[in-house]
Amino acid sequence: GQQVMQIPQYQHVQEGEDFTTYCNSSTTLSNIQWYKQRPGGHPVFLIQLVKSGEVKKQKRLTFQFGEAKKNSSLHITATQTTDVGTYFCAARSSNTGKLIFGQGTTLQVKP
Amino acid sequence: DSGVTQTPKHLITATGQRVTLRCSPRSGDLSVYWYQQSLDQGLQFLIQYYNGEERAKGNILERFSAQQFPDLHSELNLSSLELGDSALYFCASSVAAGAGANVLTFGAGSRLTVL
Repeated sequence: GQQVMQIPQYQHVQEGEDFTTYCNSSTTLSNIQWYKQRPGGHPVFLIQLVKSGEVKKQKRLTFQFGEAKKNSSLHITATQTTDVGTYFCAARSSNTGKLIFGQGTTLQVKP
Repeated sequence: DSGVTQTPKHLITATGQRVTLRCSPRSGDLSVYWYQQSLDQGLQFLIQYYNGEERAKGNILERFSAQQFPDLHSELNLSSLELGDSALYFCASSVAAGAGANVLTFGAGSRLTVL
């Protein structure tokens, strides 16, 4: 079945450093979504990418969808302690319709 | 408040028991999803319903079952509970099902502890 691989699993950064998480699929994706889960919280939708090569920005967060629509990345510039949490990518299988989440990248930010 | 309501928030029970988790989707959402999140684990897709019908099935154990009622609320039934079933169970809802671009709105989760 379709799998979505996300790396790294954990990332510790000093406040002010940049952070990137990557999401890869073996199959072409129709779209990809990103969610953030704060410690003790529930996943919250951040953004959806649909077009090949699409780049979207939300303040210090930059989301990219690969040209082949098989990979995506989330980059945070100058991390802050409020960025702490687990970031998940999610993709829907065109065959089964299931929305599959990557394993997530847990970000820790040291003040 | 996301608009997705899950009850109970916490549940402690013993092995071999049966529990029911309840979810009320956001107003206007027809599709309900159930996910399991164990400690330090990702979100494991269990099952999806759309307007009362099962739409997609993930790695849901035979001891687990779910349904969506005419008023669109959903229940996840977990039986013959084992220690390994201890996890956070999330319900999420979306406007429409299918291969389109559907954004999930998650509830706060139900934390199940099996002793």
